[in-house]
Amino acid sequence: SQTIHQWPATLVQPVGSPLSLECTVEGTSNPNLYWYRQAAGRGLQLLFYSVGIGQISSEVPQNLSASRPQDRQFILSSKKLLLSDSGFYLCAWTRLKGLAGVTGELFFGEGSRLTVL
Amino acid sequence: TQLLEQSPQFLSIQEGENLTVYCNSSSVFSSLQWYRQEPGEGPVLLVTVVTGGEVKKLKRLTFQFGDARKDSSLHITAAQPGDTGLYLCAGGRGSQGNLIFGKGTKLSVKP
Repeated sequence: SQTIHQWPATLVQPVGSPLSLECTVEGTSNPNLYWYRQAAGRGLQLLFYSVGIGQISSEVPQNLSASRPQDRQFILSSKKLLLSDSGFYLCAWTRLKGLAGVTGELFFGEGSRLTVL
Repeated sequence: TQLLEQSPQFLSIQEGENLTVYCNSSSVFSSLQWYRQEPGEGPVLLVTVVTGGEVKKLKRLTFQFGDARKDSSLHITAAQPGDTGLYLCAGGRGSQGNLIFGKGTKLSVKP
């Protein structure tokens, strides 16, 4: 069966510090991978998605970046955190590719709660 | 611009009551998904509807996709405390991009 894990689960960081959130998927190959941010009252905002190794698409301009060094590994990073980066970050994957993968069922990780002080 | 509007934002009811939550848009979607999210966890898919007018039932939950594929509703019969959570709808627009999520309806069912 497929599983998705992301860590750390909770993070408290000062403004200006770097960030690295990691997500891995097991039990499948070549998934589409996604990073979402969920802020209170604002729903799920898509930050980045990837259809393959080294292929990253950004949905919104920001000081965050994403990388996919391996097929089932997706990393969210920042060189200098802002207060506005606080939120609940969710990694997700879908097994469908092509057009179906764009709107296929998403399987979400457990989430990472980031608080920037 | 919020393409998917969910209402109500918050709903607090007693165990045994019925409820309906709505997901509305002025845009047409090729498919619509409903997810449930518990605090501190990721959302989990409940259902996907793809045909205008489609009705799907999942035990006490009934999902409907509007005829024009612009809106959807989720009806829960005899709500239980275990139904508590954030209900999110997400619309798919095929080749026009990834899923669009609404802000969710936060449901609390008190015993």
